[in-house]
Amino acid sequence: DVKVTQSSRYLVKRTGEKVFLECVQDMDHENMFWYRQDPGLGLRLIYFSYDVKMKEKGDIPEGYSVSREKKERFSLILESASTNQTSMYLCASSPPGEARNQPQHFGDGTRLSIL
Amino acid sequence: AQSVTQPDIHITVSEGASLELRCNYSYGATPYLFWYVQSPGQGLQLLLKYFSGDTLVQGIKGFEAEFKRSQSSFNLRKPSVHWSDAAEYFCACVRAGDSNYQLIWGAGTKLIIKP
Repeated sequence: DVKVTQSSRYLVKRTGEKVFLECVQDMDHENMFWYRQDPGLGLRLIYFSYDVKMKEKGDIPEGYSVSREKKERFSLILESASTNQTSMYLCASSPPGEARNQPQHFGDGTRLSIL
Repeated sequence: AQSVTQPDIHITVSEGASLELRCNYSYGATPYLFWYVQSPGQGLQLLLKYFSGDTLVQGIKGFEAEFKRSQSSFNLRKPSVHWSDAAEYFCACVRAGDSNYQLIWGAGTKLIIKP
């Protein structure tokens, strides 16, 4: 069974801090995704990566960056956290190929609060 | 632009009653459609998907969905809900064009089960 593990379930940080959210998958998937989930807005894609060191911006990349140095690990970085980045963050992975053929597998999420 | 709309933010259903959750999409060609479920405190899990062929799709946990091109809909149904079905449900479709790794998500419908 695919396991996507996010390092923290809950995280509280202060405005201006640099914040790292970590995600690890154990199924050798090429594709990895970071989403932000807010009530009434569904899931919005921040960044995704289709291979090591490869990344593409999603719909809302501003204020975020990512790192994928190893295939199994995909990190989301908030360069200077702001209160409007308080949200639930979801990581997902999928095998290579088009989304119609390769469903995404999700972690349990990190609820991040910026004070 | 492509979009997915879930018109109901909340739905309340009595245990044992039937359920229908609505999903409408906007896309000219045949979309690739999914339903995911998010149980409280967890990530998303794929319930079912539609690509082509039979317009009635069976999924896990006793759910089914029907694709209706004439109505641009992909509604999720279950004949008899259980208290464990209380969760948030998301409809999604594959983003057309170059970004065919990506999904476009509806805002979600929260299902509340009355005892």
